Amino acid sequence: QQPVQSPQAVILREGEDAVINCSSSKALYSVHWYRQKHGEAPVFLMILLKGGEQKGHEKISASFNEKKQQSSLYLTASQLSYSGTYFCGTAALGYSSASKIIFGSGTRLSIRP
Amino acid sequence: DGGITQSPKYLFRKEGQNVTLSCEQNLNHDAMYWYRQDPGQGLRLIYYSQIVNDFQKGDIAEGYSVSREKKESFPLTVTSAQKNPTAFYLCASNDRDGGALTEAFFGQGTRLTVV
Repeated sequence: QQPVQSPQAVILREGEDAVINCSSSKALYSVHWYRQKHGEAPVFLMILLKGGEQKGHEKISASFNEKKQQSSLYLTASQLSYSGTYFCGTAALGYSSASKIIFGSGTRLSIRP
Repeated sequence: DGGITQSPKYLFRKEGQNVTLSCEQNLNHDAMYWYRQDPGQGLRLIYYSQIVNDFQKGDIAEGYSVSREKKESFPLTVTSAQKNPTAFYLCASNDRDGGALTEAFFGQGTRLTVV
């Protein structure tokens, strides 16, 4: 039930764009995106709720296709500070005692000058 | 300042010992989680709790135990039954907004090493 992320790793030059994909075999209620720097805690980027809403955060945006149970994270004009591992987290239910966030295995992004 | 505090930051355990990792939050969040992270791996869910005095097993609960006696506290015990406990442990909390879980806030983690 762990969401599948692709690619596993990507190397970019500063200023290039990247897309990170997240797909689930279960019907999703929401998708969360986080970035983690080495040895640190993950930091929240954005949440997308079912309804296909696209969100943006500086030059980072994301979409959520609930019919396909997929989400994509778009990084445009990448900066050195974007380096890190990106995780998608999925919640298959609305609120209940069984509500939980399950994370994918991550996508390691390296930005070179 | 509101946040999540994990302690200790580093922990060393001898073979056969039980150890307890602390997680405290002052965000007034209902939900709390424990995740395990191995080098180069994702976050795997150990246990989670959506309300005081109730908790659920995650994907890798074997060898671990938790309690949720207070809203702000969710300690994790790594028992001697956990055969490979060396890992980075992250505690997180979040709330709900209508029917959706809100953003998760993470503690700074505890790095556990078996010696």
